[in-house]
Amino acid sequence: GESVGLHLPTLSVQEGDNSIINCAYSNSASDYFIWYKQESGKGPQFIIDIRSNMDKRQGQRVTVLLNKTVKHLSLQIAATQPGDSAVYFCAETLDNYGQNFVFGPGTRLSVLP
Amino acid sequence: DTEVTQTPKHLVMGMTNKKSLKCEQHMGHRAMYWYKQKAKKPPELMFVYSYEKLSINESVPSRFSPECPNSSLLNLHLHALQPEDSALYLCASSQHGTGDEKLFFGSGTQLSVL
Repeated sequence: GESVGLHLPTLSVQEGDNSIINCAYSNSASDYFIWYKQESGKGPQFIIDIRSNMDKRQGQRVTVLLNKTVKHLSLQIAATQPGDSAVYFCAETLDNYGQNFVFGPGTRLSVLP
Repeated sequence: DTEVTQTPKHLVMGMTNKKSLKCEQHMGHRAMYWYKQKAKKPPELMFVYSYEKLSINESVPSRFSPECPNSSLLNLHLHALQPEDSALYLCASSQHGTGDEKLFFGSGTQLSVL
């Protein structure tokens, strides 16, 4: 399940299940979005990106869905593995040059054995 | 080489010290970034350099001074920091002007100000 509060939101899933991580973005004019994975002691690692002219993009075991009507982004991870345990951030660009990235608050994904 | 290298990995400094954080990339990227990340929070943009020129400064206090000596190097000079400046400082780079803006991050420098 998912919990939100004073701490980083956490999503706990069983190994092998599918995970869905959600993100509400702030600017309806944003045209480029990225999902990052950050493991403890490391910098954010690129997972997948999507432009505003698309509503779905698939990678290896990951899918990003974009709903511009409600300014919502989601990351789906198929067959979640222990190595997927990390904090996941969505990021949007707020300028035309794609340089001013703003990150969402993040979700911690915990994979249970 | 798809790495962004940051040194040092850890740094402890007093409020009167002067130190520098260093970042290097050899991907031919022409945009480089400094982000600050507090524990359990997302990265926050501090500075952006495009073609070695400062293009974005997110109202960062002057005790943080960025420098981009060339297209591969980015420094962050620190002076008279406060304990609340303790955080993970992340460097990133991206291609610029190609339509591919994804950021590549280093592992960061964990800074503690005493």
